[in-house]
Amino acid sequence: DAGVTQSPTHLIKTRGQQVTLRCSPKSGHDTVSWYQQALGQGPQFIFQYYEEEERQRGNFPDRFSGHQFPNYSSELNVNALWLGDSALYLCASSSGHPNEKLFFGSGTQLSVL
Amino acid sequence: AQSVAQPEDQVNVAEGNPLTVKCTYSVSGNPYLFWYVQYPNRGLQFLLKYITGDNLVKGSYGFEAEFNKSQTSFHLKKPSALVSDSALYFCAVSPQMDSSYKLIFGSGTRLLVRP
Repeated sequence: DAGVTQSPTHLIKTRGQQVTLRCSPKSGHDTVSWYQQALGQGPQFIFQYYEEEERQRGNFPDRFSGHQFPNYSSELNVNALWLGDSALYLCASSSGHPNEKLFFGSGTQLSVL
Repeated sequence: AQSVAQPEDQVNVAEGNPLTVKCTYSVSGNPYLFWYVQYPNRGLQFLLKYITGDNLVKGSYGFEAEFNKSQTSFHLKKPSALVSDSALYFCAVSPQMDSSYKLIFGSGTRLLVRP
């Protein structure tokens, strides 16, 4: 049983470009959350998708957007990249209840030059 | 504002000794509390959680955590540390209000267990 898979593992972009990150949840999970982990910090909640809709959003600008597909996989899109967007982007899946543990992927390391 | 504090950037302990990694939180109501561990170049792995009931929660790899409501703390403990426990540990809170589904993480504590 595959866990949470993310692609790509590493990505290098320049300022102003756009990026798309992908995530496949653990089998049986229908909820996907995205987190940004800057160097030396804890993960910060970006948003959560459930039933193909954004269910909750953290304190991130509209440049950050997402999508969930009927097979529960998800994409994170970031437009007009800033240097400050350089971070590890983590995808987590669950069955959706707030008291359930999250299963995390290994992340996508994004570097913006 | 809702927040989680991990006051120690790093905890050093000798193998075989007990360890404690501290966590305090500031959240309204009765939150769900979690500990996750992160190994190099890996995502986070769940260790344990507190939902309700017994204040002492047991989790994976021999770890346990004690919930203290009056001190708003949820410290992670292990009676006998292993070198393989060396990793980055995160405390997290899920507020039980406003239909919140997000986790609020602390800044992390690096645990170094020396042989």
